[in-house]
Amino acid sequence: ETGVTQSPTHLIKTRGQQVTLRCSSQSGHNTVSWYQQALGQGPQFIFQYYREEENGRGNFPPRFSGLQFPNYSSELNVNALELDDSALYLCASSHGQERSYNSPLHFGNGTRLTVT
Amino acid sequence: QKEVEQDPGPLSVPEGAIVSLNCTYSNSAFQYFMWYRQYSRKGPELLMYTYSSGNKEDGRFTAQVDKSSKYISLFIRDSQPSDSATYLCAMGSGGNTGKLIFGQGTTLQVKP
Repeated sequence: ETGVTQSPTHLIKTRGQQVTLRCSSQSGHNTVSWYQQALGQGPQFIFQYYREEENGRGNFPPRFSGLQFPNYSSELNVNALELDDSALYLCASSHGQERSYNSPLHFGNGTRLTVT
Repeated sequence: QKEVEQDPGPLSVPEGAIVSLNCTYSNSAFQYFMWYRQYSRKGPELLMYTYSSGNKEDGRFTAQVDKSSKYISLFIRDSQPSDSATYLCAMGSGGNTGKLIFGQGTTLQVKP
């Protein structure tokens, strides 16, 4: 069974630039969620995708956007990067059923984004 | 007030000790509860998942949920240096988003 994989592992960007982070879901999982984890804090929910549609969104501005592909892999895009966007970005997959959801999340090791 | 409160520690114990980690929450809609372990430079790893009040045991780990008090705990018996990590509690209300609310995490160090 293949776990959740994320790329790249580290990334350095300049304020104002755009970034794309990628995630491959665990085999058999059809739901992907993205979380932001600032240093010393717990992860914060950005959004979730189920069957290629956004299925819920946390308190993040529209410059955070995402995609889920037919093979259940996913991308997180962040435009107009700000210094406060520096964080560990975590992707998590799970098996959702008909939008009624209580399956536990399985996380990748994240992408460490530094904005200078 | 945060929805989920967790003492960040750090917590330092000798090898073999019993460790107690706790979270309190304010949202009575939370229905399922998880504990994750996170090593440095790694993603969170699921340890325990519970969907009701009571105790759940898995090896050296016991998760306890008290919905009436809005309080959850994780006990680690016979702690080992390899248990040194950050422990995150997480909670969800189900429904159709799967959004989890995490505590801040407690850093645990088990000394040989």
